[in-house]
Amino acid sequence: DIQMTQSPSTLSASVGDRVTISCRASQSINNWLAWYQQRPGKAPKLLIYKASTLESGVPSRFSGSGSGTEFTLTISSLQPEDFATYHCQHYHGYPWTFGQGTRVEIK
Amino acid sequence: QVQLVESGGDLVKPGGSLKLSCAASGFTFRDYYMSWIRQAPGKGLEWISYISSTGSTKYYSDSVKGRFTISRDNAENSLYLQLKSLRAEDTAVYYCARVGQSGSSHFDNWGQGTLVIVSS
Repeated sequence: DIQMTQSPSTLSASVGDRVTISCRASQSINNWLAWYQQRPGKAPKLLIYKASTLESGVPSRFSGSGSGTEFTLTISSLQPEDFATYHCQHYHGYPWTFGQGTRVEIK
Repeated sequence: QVQLVESGGDLVKPGGSLKLSCAASGFTFRDYYMSWIRQAPGKGLEWISYISSTGSTKYYSDSVKGRFTISRDNAENSLYLQLKSLRAEDTAVYYCARVGQSGSSHFDNWGQGTLVIVSS
């Protein structure tokens, strides 16, 4: 199985900060990677797919990059509603797996 | 708009069974692959099952293979997950999710989840 490792596990930041979250795959997944945002008590919401394609309706301050085994989610200017947990997920063969999540908290 | 509404979650004893349902609306259900994903309390997300648009192809994670069965009724716009031989570690919120199209198998819409608690 392909393992997905996110870093950091928790990130403290302030409104307006530029935030970067990393996701590493244990083997190449090409660009078959998605990022989701999950607010407490809510279902995950798709942000990015195919590593860098922004889902319709998602603010442009979110961006994704990478291919192969190294991927990054960037929030260019953190907004109050962005404090949440972020999950990466690969879909390059079964089983599809998620990273353990990165919690973005208020500094 | 796309809506996915799960139901059927409950408190069940170890070894017991349960059937979860997911009612879909706002899109042509029969055109989409679907999946179930779960999240144990305070933990990350775990993909557990996938079904093709016609129901002819199904995949399961090793953690549920042989115990859970995914199915769908395209006439009723519904997705199901039959859970058997339940264990304490199956305690989780279970989400149904629509698999995206355009050649990319991400999850583009999620339900609100239904809670399954396995405890004596």
